[in-house]
Amino acid sequence: AQTVTQSQPEMSVQEAETVTLSCTYDTSESDYYLFWYKQPPSRQMILVIRQEAYKQQNATENRFSVNFQKAAKSFSLKISDSQLGDAAMYFCAYLGRGGGADGLTFGKGTHLIIQP
Amino acid sequence: NAGVMQNPRHLVRRRGQEARLRCSPMKGHSHVYWYRQLPEEGLKFMVYLQKENIIDESGMPKERFSAEFPKEGPSILRIQQVVRGDSAAYFCASSPENMNTEAFFGQGTRLTVV
Repeated sequence: AQTVTQSQPEMSVQEAETVTLSCTYDTSESDYYLFWYKQPPSRQMILVIRQEAYKQQNATENRFSVNFQKAAKSFSLKISDSQLGDAAMYFCAYLGRGGGADGLTFGKGTHLIIQP
Repeated sequence: NAGVMQNPRHLVRRRGQEARLRCSPMKGHSHVYWYRQLPEEGLKFMVYLQKENIIDESGMPKERFSAEFPKEGPSILRIQQVVRGDSAAYFCASSPENMNTEAFFGQGTRLTVV
C-alpha cells in the first residue's frame, strides 16, 4: 500500500518570504501522480499543483512550485512571496496511475501560518 | 458551472440515528469519490462510484456504511446507527473519468454525533 508522510505538522513564514513544505511517499509503482491540496478554514479542498511522475520537469503554478525527486520519493512544495491568503492546511497526496481505484492517498497535512 | 455540491454542510445526529450525506457532482462528471477526514488528519478514501456502480469500497467500513450513485440524482453516503466515532468531515470529489484527471472536491459535510 502507498503511504504519504508529511513530517512538518506546522510551519510559519513571514509574509513575502519563501517557505518549503516537505512530503515523502512510498510506492512500488513506477507511474503515478502527486498533488498538493490547500485546505483553508472554509474546509474546501483546493488543488494547488499536480505532478506526473513520468515527467522530469518540476511543475509550477505561479508562486507555487515543486521539487520532485523520484528516486528519493520526495515531493516538496515551495511557496514564493508568501501571502496572508496562503495560510491554510496543505496536504500532499498520491494517486496510482492504474485506474483510479483506491482514490487519493493523503498525508496528515502541514499547517502553514503566515506572519504579517 | 456549479462545483461539487454537498449537503448539508453541517449535520448533527444522536447516537443510533441515521445520517444521509448527499453529493451532486459537477455537470458532466460520472465518477464520485467519498473521503472521511478525522480531526488533525488527512482525508481517507472510503468509496469510489460510477453511475449505478460501486467500483471500489475498500475504504468503507463493512457495517453501517453504504453508498450509492443512482442514474438520476446525487450520490448518497448513508451511515446507519451512528456512533460518536463517526463524527468527522465527509468529502465528496468528482471527475469526468478516473482520478488521473483533476478531481474537484465539495466543501464537505461535518457530521457531529451527540
